[in-house]
Amino acid sequence: DGGITQSPKYLFRKEGQNVTLSCEQNLNHDAMYWYRQDPGQGLRLIYYSQIVNDFQKGDIAEGYSVSREKKESFPLTVTSAQKNPTAFYLCASRITGATYEQYFGPGTRLTVT
Amino acid sequence: AQTVTQSQPEMSVQEAETVTLSCTYDTSESDYYLFWYKQPPSRQMILVIRQEAYKQQNATENRFSVNFQKAAKSFSLKISDSQLGDAAMYFCAYRSGLYNQGGKLIFGQGTELSVKP
Repeated sequence: DGGITQSPKYLFRKEGQNVTLSCEQNLNHDAMYWYRQDPGQGLRLIYYSQIVNDFQKGDIAEGYSVSREKKESFPLTVTSAQKNPTAFYLCASRITGATYEQYFGPGTRLTVT
Repeated sequence: AQTVTQSQPEMSVQEAETVTLSCTYDTSESDYYLFWYKQPPSRQMILVIRQEAYKQQNATENRFSVNFQKAAKSFSLKISDSQLGDAAMYFCAYRSGLYNQGGKLIFGQGTELSVKP
């Protein structure tokens, strides 16, 4: 089955530690995205990548980093510089082109204490 | 910068009735796309319906339809014959048609829809 996988579903970390969230897709999509969701708010864009080895900052990139070494993978690292890292993180992908919509993974709930 | 506003944090509807969720947006672009996504308790984001700005005809998908008022920058979602499975958070989203915008989505704050049996 084609789709987007995010692992793990729940992640717990101590404050001050970096943590990497996984996002893998086997849809052969060119573009991939990371969004953050907080209670009572819509999704906000952290980073996105339209091709391998290239990515752009979204609206709330501070304290996060990404890499895009393979078309299928777009991991997100939440660094210790992120002041409020506890949130629900969603990864998405799409075929590049005006008519194509984004497909979302199941998300990872990160809790930092 | 583009913005999307959903002014109804919560809505409620009786099973089998019709409900309309509101969304307004702001943009200076002429080429864009609008979407409604559903997020059930599982938190999986599911695309409900999409509308291309250049199309005058309102999009429909089974029980879901939109009222797209381009001049008013309004994009409401109508759910007919509401079912218990429609209970979810609904997000309105905007996407620029410009390639250099990367296909990224701008979301509203969401509307929590409950369906009463």
